[in-house]
Amino acid sequence: AQSVTQLGSHVSVSEGALVLLRCNYSSSVPPYLFWYVQYPNQGLQLLLKYTSAATLVKGINGFEAEFKKSETSFHLTKPSAHMSDAAEYFCAGDHGSGNTGKLIFGQGTTLQVKP
Amino acid sequence: NAGVTQTPKFRVLKTGQSMTLLCAQDMNHEYMYWYRQDPGMGLRLIHYSVGEGTTAKGEVPDGYNVSRLKKQNFLLGLESAAPSQTSVYFCASSYGSGGYTDTQYFGPGTRLTVL
Repeated sequence: AQSVTQLGSHVSVSEGALVLLRCNYSSSVPPYLFWYVQYPNQGLQLLLKYTSAATLVKGINGFEAEFKKSETSFHLTKPSAHMSDAAEYFCAGDHGSGNTGKLIFGQGTTLQVKP
Repeated sequence: NAGVTQTPKFRVLKTGQSMTLLCAQDMNHEYMYWYRQDPGMGLRLIHYSVGEGTTAKGEVPDGYNVSRLKKQNFLLGLESAAPSQTSVYFCASSYGSGGYTDTQYFGPGTRLTVL
């Protein structure tokens, strides 16, 4: 089974600034990786997912993530933050335990966007 | 489509009481999951099911039981609630075609407090 680590439990940016949320994974096999977003008092919804088709993955709301095998990273970026991006973001990866669809989640990063 | 729904949204229990959380999905998904979310710990898998009539333990199964008698429903039971089970519980489901790359769809969560 792999592990997923998110660096930084809180990230604060100004509106219009670059958003960078970090995620590293450990896996002995090519992973399948996901970014989910959780708005206050809501469930998680998918932002984007990497399934080995392309290393640069584009998601909803202007977010994208790049899979870098050499760095075992899958960082999430957005060129210009908007107030509505304030939420908690979770990186997740395939558990690696066979055909179960199980995911391993990172600890989460709370994004604060300042006006 | 309602997607994934959870009942109830909030609940307060006393130590030792029992309760059942209901998850329902209308997307004809094969796989269903129960997670708990605690601050700074991301989401941890409690139990999961890869089809009607089947269940399996996840990462933190102790103190919980589950049943999947109907494909669309996944029940999570607490037989004797403890304060350590105070958490937000999320149900999720996925199509189950191959497991690895399936998107999980989440319910809105149940906030449980055990006094």
